[in-house]
Amino acid sequence: DTAVSQTPKYLVTQMGNDKSIKCEQNLGHDTMYWYKQDSKKFLKIMFSYNNKELIINETVPNRFSPKSPDKAHLNLHINSLELGDSAVYFCASSLTQYEQYFGPGTRLTVT
Amino acid sequence: QKEVEQNSGPLSVPEGAIASLNCTYSDRGSQSFFWYRQYSGKSPELIMSIYSNGDQEDGRFTAQLNKASQYVSLLIRDSQPSDSATYLCAVKDGGTSYGKLTFGQGTILTVHP
Repeated sequence: DTAVSQTPKYLVTQMGNDKSIKCEQNLGHDTMYWYKQDSKKFLKIMFSYNNKELIINETVPNRFSPKSPDKAHLNLHINSLELGDSAVYFCASSLTQYEQYFGPGTRLTVT
Repeated sequence: QKEVEQNSGPLSVPEGAIASLNCTYSDRGSQSFFWYRQYSGKSPELIMSIYSNGDQEDGRFTAQLNKASQYVSLLIRDSQPSDSATYLCAVKDGGTSYGKLTFGQGTILTVHP
């Protein structure tokens, strides 16, 4: 009965590889988000989808590509991983403009 | 650049005391304000939302909003060691109906027995 789930929880990979993180929510929300939390714990939005449409696209390298196959799923694909991509990535969901609920996070380590 | 500022702390209070966490924001058009609690190694957990000037209370937590001063605060009464965490202030972008949140850097709270 997990509300917002993410896989994998941990991801360790080498520079230059391509990886994906998956997110699913069962709250019936129509908006989903990707956030990045860096080593200083600063949480910053990357992307948002509303009903499968991209509505927020912050200044993020185009190596990052989100995809939303339906309202309940939002995936994040990262090409050519760099050391600076190491962080915790959080998925969140909400009913449009209301409160956002976060998934457990994916800790990405690039070596 | 819309900003949300918090005192990063750490803020240390004794058990049973009131912990007061503060947040200021730069976007005068902001309408929605949230406090999240984040334990170490865990995800942010929503604990309070506030949308209008004044106080919003939920159990031991009270959120206070002053839009004229662009200031929002969180009071935790009867603080417990289990309240020890990082508290994140989040402000919803006033320029859109979509939920873009800008977060502060967080205040680390330690409640000591």
